[in-house]
Amino acid sequence: DAGVIQSPRHEVTEMGQEVTLRCKPISGHDYLFWYRQTMMRGLELLIYFNNNVPIDDSGMPEDRFSAKMPNASFSTLKIQPSEPRDSAVYFCASSPGRFNEKLFFGSGTQLSVL
Amino acid sequence: GENVEQHPSTLSVQEGDSAVIKCTYSDSASNYFPWYKQELGKRPQLIIDIRSNVGEKKDQRIAVTLNKTAKHFSLHITETQPEDSAVYFCAASNSGYALNFGKGTSLLVTP
Repeated sequence: DAGVIQSPRHEVTEMGQEVTLRCKPISGHDYLFWYRQTMMRGLELLIYFNNNVPIDDSGMPEDRFSAKMPNASFSTLKIQPSEPRDSAVYFCASSPGRFNEKLFFGSGTQLSVL
Repeated sequence: GENVEQHPSTLSVQEGDSAVIKCTYSDSASNYFPWYKQELGKRPQLIIDIRSNVGEKKDQRIAVTLNKTAKHFSLHITETQPEDSAVYFCAASNSGYALNFGKGTSLLVTP
């Protein structure tokens, strides 16, 4: 298995532009998580899905952020419009569920909003 | 929601010494406490975890202890090596599978 796959690895955009981050979880995993990592705030949980259904999006900072999981093998995190304070590393992670909470992280997307 | 506090934020030890990182959590219903290691530029990876029905768990040079009454848990690394240098995150879960992470401890092991 290739693990959790995220794209792009790096994204540089200008303030006001739309940004879409993509994630392919490990096949068979029931849970998918989006985390944001910054020096100041560490790893913050933004939203997570169970069997493609959003369970908790209380960590999504603003309405500018949205996430979807149209099927078991794909999820997106969208920021529209982007702002400089959104600059961070965004990690997608999946876990098997069924009493196995181990998170398998993707390699992350380094987002820079200028 | 669950709030996880982690200390210290940075830790420097000599090779061969022990390192201890401590975390506290707020929700007494939390029942799962993992530790993740993140090397520079890499993704976080699970190194050890403990559940609330266990007080201590060891895996070679690393161990985790849990005090449910005080709501704190700790990571112990013995005989530290330079390759242990990384950022370590504790986490707690009170909602099944969503982990709330501490802010991390940057560990530097100097030869």
